[in-house]
Amino acid sequence: DTEVTQTPKHLVMGMTNKKSLKCEQHMGHRAMYWYKQKAKKPPELMFVYSYEKLSINESVPSRFSPECPNSSLLNLHLHALQPEDSALYLCASSPYSQGNTEAFFGQGTRLTVV
Amino acid sequence: EDKVVQSPLSLVVHEGDTVTLNCSYEVTNFRSLLWYKQEKKAPTFLFMLTSSGIEKKSGRLSSILDKKELFSILNITATQTGDSAIYLCAVGARGGADGLTFGKGTHLIIQP
Repeated sequence: DTEVTQTPKHLVMGMTNKKSLKCEQHMGHRAMYWYKQKAKKPPELMFVYSYEKLSINESVPSRFSPECPNSSLLNLHLHALQPEDSALYLCASSPYSQGNTEAFFGQGTRLTVV
Repeated sequence: EDKVVQSPLSLVVHEGDTVTLNCSYEVTNFRSLLWYKQEKKAPTFLFMLTSSGIEKKSGRLSSILDKKELFSILNITATQTGDSAIYLCAVGARGGADGLTFGKGTHLIIQP
């Protein structure tokens, strides 16, 4: 199983809503990532979890709140988002986070904030 | 600041042609260079390169890294319409940000 599974596939939310994106992998990977990708742009790193601990937060606004309940799961909690936060949110995992292992991506959640 | 530059940004060729995509980088504490193919959604992994001069091959795709000149190329021979996609180059670094820094991608269109 080389899959990273993300749910939901699509999400439309209002600026006052609270929602969560979920990501799951069963490859035994110890590093998991959230990336944000705007249209016609490359993915941009948001958060890195290594061994279930947050190791990187790339100056992401606090309206995005990551959580890693266990080594297979990664959540991204969303609250009070802005329309400019609309994007494809990609989860990825890799065996370990030392920059020299391949990262496998999920299919993404297409988020629209209205 | 880490930088990854891909060229060309877009390319249109005919089926059967051979294409070469370029990726240059300036990264502190370089560890690896990765190529991904992105169609509608998730980037799918193609190659990871860590050593200079060793070609990686998978079917019609191949890639090589030059750590002295800080670039990599991705070759696709006998292109097919299914090769149409955005090809992303990403670099992994040691320490600091353990995620990947991506280039802007090359949008490749294969015409029948």
